[in-house]
Formats: sequence, structure tokens, C-alpha cells
Amino acid sequence: AQKITQTQPGMFVQEKEAVTLDCTYDTSDQSYGLFWYKQPSSGEMIFLIYQGSYDEQNATEGRYSLNFQKARKSANLVISASQLGDSAMYFCAMSPSGAGSYQLTFGKGTKLSVIP
Amino acid sequence: GAGVSQTPSNKVTEKGKYVELRCDPISGHTALYWYRQSLGQGPEFLIYFQGTGAADDSGLPNDRFFAVRPEGSVSTLKIQRTERGDSAVYLCASSLSGGQIGGRAEDEQYFGPGTRLTVT
Repeated sequence: AQKITQTQPGMFVQEKEAVTLDCTYDTSDQSYGLFWYKQPSSGEMIFLIYQGSYDEQNATEGRYSLNFQKARKSANLVISASQLGDSAMYFCAMSPSGAGSYQLTFGKGTKLSVIP
Repeated sequence: GAGVSQTPSNKVTEKGKYVELRCDPISGHTALYWYRQSLGQGPEFLIYFQGTGAADDSGLPNDRFFAVRPEGSVSTLKIQRTERGDSAVYLCASSLSGGQIGGRAEDEQYFGPGTRLTVT
């Protein structure tokens, strides 16, 4: 079984500052994928970034980067230069890799509020 | 291009009634997923289709829940004898191939806006 823990129910960040959203995970799988999704008030889940468990380098996508520490089983999301439009719920998720790896297991989410 | 669409966006029903929730995936996506998101929680997996068949329905909470995808595109999630505990947002997602999530573009799950179901 896989489990995702997001310990920050809510976070505030000043516009243009960087913010880190925490995510820890638990799995017995050797190979897995880690994801971050953004959910604005409209409700749609928007894929942000992916990290494979065997990827040696941390993933980056524009202003998003994933701080992957395998030994600590953490996959924190870093958002640089926060914008007002970044205000939303953020979910960390994981899935095993390989055949049948279609299920995403999500954490409870962190509500990010960007302050002007 | 068009994303995943779900209808209705909101559904209010009385306890004990039957409801159907519809999902239109992205054209050409063979894999389709249903998730349920309760208030204050992350989405929980319900069922996965590869083409017309349900490859994994292990997330369906009980036999009141059923889903179909008869022609391999549109899917309908059906809930019989609804209970107040069924109130949630039901999310649908599709991906190009499914089966293996490895960060490749064809495996990324694209989500719809969801259907908010309220059982009174």
C-alpha cells in the first residue's frame, strides 16, 4: 500500500517569494512515480511536475521544482517567484511504475494563499 | 483542443435515488479513470478503464457503484440507492495509453472539472 502525507493544511506566501510545500510518502515498491497537482477553485486537477524514483536529478518545470530526497521519502514542491494565480490547493500523489501503475494515491492537500 | 468534460457539473438528489454521472475523455485517450474527492480530502481512486473494459474496479466502495464505457470513449458512473455519504466531487481523468505511469506525456492523467454530487 502507498501513503502520501502532507502536513501543511494551509500556507501563506508573499507575492514574488519562493515557497516549499511538504510531501512525505510511504511505499514498499522499489520503483514509483511522484506527482504534484494544482487544484484551483474551479475544481480541475492540473498536472505540475513528475519525479521518477530512479531519476537522479530533481525534476524542474518552469517555476516548479521537486526537491526529491529518496532516503527521507520526501518529495517537496518548490514554487519560485510566487504569483497571485498560484493560490490554490496543491496535492502530492504517487503511483508505482510498471504494469498496472495507473492508480494515483493522493495526499490531503495544502491550500496555498499568495498575498499581494 | 478540448479537455475532459463531465456532466452535470452539479447534481442534487434525494437519498435512495439513482444517479448517473457522465465523462467525456480527451479524443483518442484509451485510458479513463474515476476518482472521488470528499470534502477536505485528496481524490481517491474508484475505477480504471482500458478501452471498453474495466481493468481495475478495486476502488469502488460497494455494489451500489457501477461504471461503463461501452464504446471505449464516454463513460458513465452509476450510483444506485444513493446515501448521504456518497456526497462528494466525482472526478474523471483520461490518459493516452494508461497502464504505466512513467512521466511520459502519453501517460499523464488529464482531469475534468468534476461533478459535485449532493445527496439530501
